[in-house]
Formats: sequence, C-alpha cells, structure tokens
Amino acid sequence: GQNIDQPTEMTATEGAIVQINCTYQTSGFNGLFWYQQHAGEAPTFLSYNVLDGLEEKGRFSSFLSRSKGYSYLLLKELQMKDSASYLCARTVDSSYKLIFGSGTRLLVRP
Amino acid sequence: DSGVTQTPKHLITATGQRVTLRCSPRSGDLSVYWYQQSLDQGLQFLIQYYNGEERAKGNILERFSAQQFPDLHSELNLSSLELGDSALYFCASSGSSRGPGTQETQYFGPGTRLLVL
Repeated sequence: GQNIDQPTEMTATEGAIVQINCTYQTSGFNGLFWYQQHAGEAPTFLSYNVLDGLEEKGRFSSFLSRSKGYSYLLLKELQMKDSASYLCARTVDSSYKLIFGSGTRLLVRP
Repeated sequence: DSGVTQTPKHLITATGQRVTLRCSPRSGDLSVYWYQQSLDQGLQFLIQYYNGEERAKGNILERFSAQQFPDLHSELNLSSLELGDSALYFCASSGSSRGPGTQETQYFGPGTRLLVL
C-alpha cells in the first residue's frame, strides 16, 4: 500500500513553532515532498527529502527517517499567512508520480 | 508564478458533456502530470506523460483521456461528465533542474475549476 497519514487539522499561535507529522508506507519509496496549499490555489513546493535527516530552509525545515517511514515539517516564527493546508507526498517508483496525503489544515491565530 | 499555465481557469458545463483542459509546462520540463482535487478528497494522481509518451497511470476513469503533444503541452479530455466530476484539476510539470528542488520536483499550474451542473 501507499497510505500516507497526517493530522487533519492543527492550530497554533502567531510567532510559535508547529510540527506537522507524516507517516507513510515504505515500499517503493523514492522521496518525500511537502507542499503548501492555500484554499483554491495551486500547491507550492516547500521541501524534498530523499536522505535521512533534517533539511533547513529559512523558517521551514523538513525531517525524514526512511527506516521509520516518518517525516515532519517544522514551521518556526509562525505568521498569519502560514494558515494553509500542508500536503505530504511521496514519490513512487521511477515514474515520480506523487501520492498525496489528505493534507493538514493549519490555522494560525493572533 | 510556477511557470505552468492552465486554461481555462473556470469551466461550467452540463452532465453528459465533454470538455478539454489544457496545460503548458514550464520551459524545459518534459514531464506533465494531471491531478484531480475534489472537496472531500485530497489530490489524486490521474496520469503522467513524459516527452509525448504515457509514463504512469493512476485512478483515471475510462471516460477521461489525455495526451501530450510534440510541443510538450498536454490536454486532458473529460467526457460523459457526471456531477461527481466537479473538482479542481491541476497540471504539474517537472524535469528541468532550474529552481529549488530537483529534477523530480513538480511545479503546479493554477488549476481549472470544473463545475458540472
């Protein structure tokens, strides 16, 4: 199977840190993507992890553990504009088609 | 702006009709992917083309078909439309190493919102 699980909703406060977890089935795994999607808009690329460890990119970081089938997206110094859905997606085999989780809706409150 | 363009932005049609959605990939990208996003579902992979050839297929209905032309633009054809086909249809492209990410990174177009009445 290629199930991807992530929480449906999260709420956090402006200026705080939030961690969005994602678990996936490891068979046929190539890499793990995180996308941000505001309602009604296109997903925009945030990060790509193919090796274990933490990738830091400004306020956003992403972590991958291939053996555990686990990833997280860490958002620091939250801003109101970070309120969006965050989509975890994995590639499958050599085609690199993306299998998406259902997304985590993040609400940032003042 | 991802560099991927899609037309039309909105489409309203009736059940039983046929529509064509169009996508132009980023310059240099050879792969085009189509996804469907319904209100109650996440992004669902439909089909992928690479340099004119079908590369991978997802849960695409038989009523749906796609192709990629020599200039690399792609069209998704939806026929015998049903109410349940109402959704956002996204096209994405990948393949060049420009920009953040890698050659595998998919960049999404703005989508076509289809409403079937």
